[in-house]
Amino acid sequence: EPEVTQTPSHQVTQMGQEVILRCVPISNHLYFYWYRQILGQKVEFLVSFYNNEISEKSEIFDDQFSVERPDGSNFTLKIRSTKLEDSAMYFCASSERLLLTYEQYFGPGTRLTVT
Amino acid sequence: AQKVTQAQTEISVVEKEDVTLDCVYETRDTTYYLFWYKQPPSGELVFLIRRNSFDEQNEISGRYSWNFQKSTSSFNFTITASQVVDSAVYFCALSVFNSGSARQLTFGSGTQLTVLP
Repeated sequence: EPEVTQTPSHQVTQMGQEVILRCVPISNHLYFYWYRQILGQKVEFLVSFYNNEISEKSEIFDDQFSVERPDGSNFTLKIRSTKLEDSAMYFCASSERLLLTYEQYFGPGTRLTVT
Repeated sequence: AQKVTQAQTEISVVEKEDVTLDCVYETRDTTYYLFWYKQPPSGELVFLIRRNSFDEQNEISGRYSWNFQKSTSSFNFTITASQVVDSAVYFCALSVFNSGSARQLTFGSGTQLTVLP
């Protein structure tokens, strides 16, 4: 069964450093998403991406964040200068465009720890 | 704006008991989708069910059942004869249908279910 994959599973970085989180969505999916879950809290939407551009973004997704689809398979989230409060689990998701197929399939997540 | 409320932060039951997880949602849109996801201790998000706003039929899948009531804006989830492996955080989520929108999910705060042996 096709699945969304994410690398790395755990990333430790120092405050102020740049990090890139990588995702490989399901191959025939056209919509891509990033969500964030701070430990013990709910899952929060960050950004959606379609047709090589951002479709929607939340208030959390400020200028420190960017997304890119550098090739036909990868979807990346970059945080330019990490802060302590960026420590969280980051989930990538993808979905098909078909109206009747609505599930967003989530990857296993990348745990980001900023020290 | 959309909102999902899961008032039960934590529930603890003994194995084989039935348990219902509550979910109340708010939206002004008439076309929307409701979801339940399971997050086991390993951390991944596992899709359980999707329901659209025009389908109020209850659904049963094995030990799981879902009760969707538009009149009370609720989409409750019942596990029958709970098992230890059901222990997880369960999230209810909402997505509204906007033409051209990528349809982000709005999650509730989750309910931690612990099933004791």
